[in-house]
Amino acid sequence: AQKVTQAQTEISVVEKEDVTLDCVYETRDTTYYLFWYKQPPSGELVFLIRRNSFDEQNEISGRYSWNFQKSTSSFNFTITASQVVDSAVYFCALSEAGNYGQNFVFGPGTRLSVLP
Amino acid sequence: GAVVSQHPSRVICKSGTSVKIECRSLDFQATTMFWYRQFPKQSLMLMATSNEGSKATYEQGVEKDKFLINHASLTLSTLTVTSAHPEDSSFYICSAREQEESYNSPLHFGNGTRLTVT
Repeated sequence: AQKVTQAQTEISVVEKEDVTLDCVYETRDTTYYLFWYKQPPSGELVFLIRRNSFDEQNEISGRYSWNFQKSTSSFNFTITASQVVDSAVYFCALSEAGNYGQNFVFGPGTRLSVLP
Repeated sequence: GAVVSQHPSRVICKSGTSVKIECRSLDFQATTMFWYRQFPKQSLMLMATSNEGSKATYEQGVEKDKFLINHASLTLSTLTVTSAHPEDSSFYICSAREQEESYNSPLHFGNGTRLTVT
C-alpha cells in the first residue's frame, strides 16, 4: 500500500534561516509521482512541484529546492532564507501510476512557522 | 494555470439543515473531481470521487446518504451535506486534474469550504 510520512509535525525557524522538510514514501509501483503542496493559513492548497520516479535530478526554484533520493524513498523540500510568508502547512503527496493516479495519498503535513 | 473555484468559502448552518458546496473547474473540463475533508491540524482525507454522468465513488467509512455528490456537467460537482450535525463541521475541499489522462498531472484545489454546524 502507498504511504507518505512526514516525521516533522511542526517546525519553527527564525526568518532567513534555511529549513528542510522531510518526506518519506512507500510504494510498490515502479512508476509514481511525488508532489509538494503548500497550505497557508487561508486554507487553499497551492501546488509547488511534481517529480516522477524516473527523474532523480534535484530541482531549484528560487528559494525552494527539492532533493529526491529513490534509494532512501525520500523527497525532501528545502526553503532557503525563509520568510514569514513561508509560514504554512506543507504536504507531501504520492500518486501511483498503477492506480491511474486516481488517488493522491497525502502525508500528515508539516506546520512551518517562520518567526520575524 | 488551471483554476478550481469552490463556493461558499464559509458557511454556518443549524443542526438538521442541509448545505450544498459547489466546485467548478473554470478553464478546463473535468469528468472526475475529488472531494476531501480536513479536520483541524490534520491531513486531507479523500471522501469520494465524483464522476460526471454517473454515481460517485465513496471511500470506505463515508456515508453516501449523508454526503450527496452530484456531477451534472463537465465543470461542476456539488457536495451536499444532508441533515448536518456538529460533527460534520470541518474543512471541505475539492480538486480536479487539468489533464485527466495524465496521472502525473497535479491536482488543482479549490479554496475550500469551512463548514460550521451549530
